[in-house]
Amino acid sequence: AQSVTQLDSHVSVSEGTPVLLRCNYSSSYSPSLFWYVQHPNKGLQLLLKYTSAATLVKGINGFEAEFKKSETSFHLTKPSAHMSDAAEYFCVVRMDSSYKLIFGSGTRLLVRP
Amino acid sequence: KAGVTQTPRYLIKTRGQQVTLSCSPISGHRSVSWYQQTPGQGLQFLFEYFSETQRNKGNFPGRFSGRQFSNSRSEMNVSTLELGDSALYLCASTPSGALTDTQYFGPGTRLTVL
Repeated sequence: AQSVTQLDSHVSVSEGTPVLLRCNYSSSYSPSLFWYVQHPNKGLQLLLKYTSAATLVKGINGFEAEFKKSETSFHLTKPSAHMSDAAEYFCVVRMDSSYKLIFGSGTRLLVRP
Repeated sequence: KAGVTQTPRYLIKTRGQQVTLSCSPISGHRSVSWYQQTPGQGLQFLFEYFSETQRNKGNFPGRFSGRQFSNSRSEMNVSTLELGDSALYLCASTPSGALTDTQYFGPGTRLTVL
C-alpha cells in the first residue's frame, strides 16, 4: 500500500536561507510523486512532480526535489527562502493503479524576516 | 484558460441537513476528483469521476455521494450532516485522469456544520 510521511510538521527558516522539507514514501511500484503548496484560504498549487523521468525535478518559484529510490525519499529544497514562501506544503503520492492522491500530513513553513 | 471553479465558496448548515457542492473543471478536462480537508484528518480522497462514471471511491460513509454531468461538471452531496463534516472540500480536475496527469485544484468550498 502506498503512503507518504512528512517528517516535520513545522519548519522555520530565515529569509534568504535554504529550505529543506522532508518526505518519505512507501510504494510497491514506481510511484508518481508531487509537491503541492497551499497558501492560507487558498486551494492547492502544484510545485513539481516526478513521474519516472529525471530524478532531479525542478519546479516553480525556485523549488526542486530529488527522487531517491534507495532512500524512498522525495525531499523538497530551495536555495533561498522568500517571505512569500510561507505556506503549508504537501508531499503527495499517486496510487499505482488508481487515480487518487495520497497526501502527507503537511509541513508548515515559516519564514522569518 | 479559466481554472477549476467551485461554488459556493462558503456554506453554513445545521446538523441533519443536506448540502450540494458544485465543481466546474478546467475546460477540456474530463476527470474530476473530490477531497476533504480537516485539521485532524488532513486531506482525504472522496471519489473520482471520469465521463460521468465513478472510477474510485475513498473510505467515506454512504452519506457522501457525487455525480458528474455530460459537460464534466461535478457535484457532491452530503446528506444528514454531522458536526464532523465541517471541512474544506476541494475539487481537482485532470485532462484524462491518466496516472501521470497533474491534478489542478479549485479554491475549495468551506462547509461549516452547526
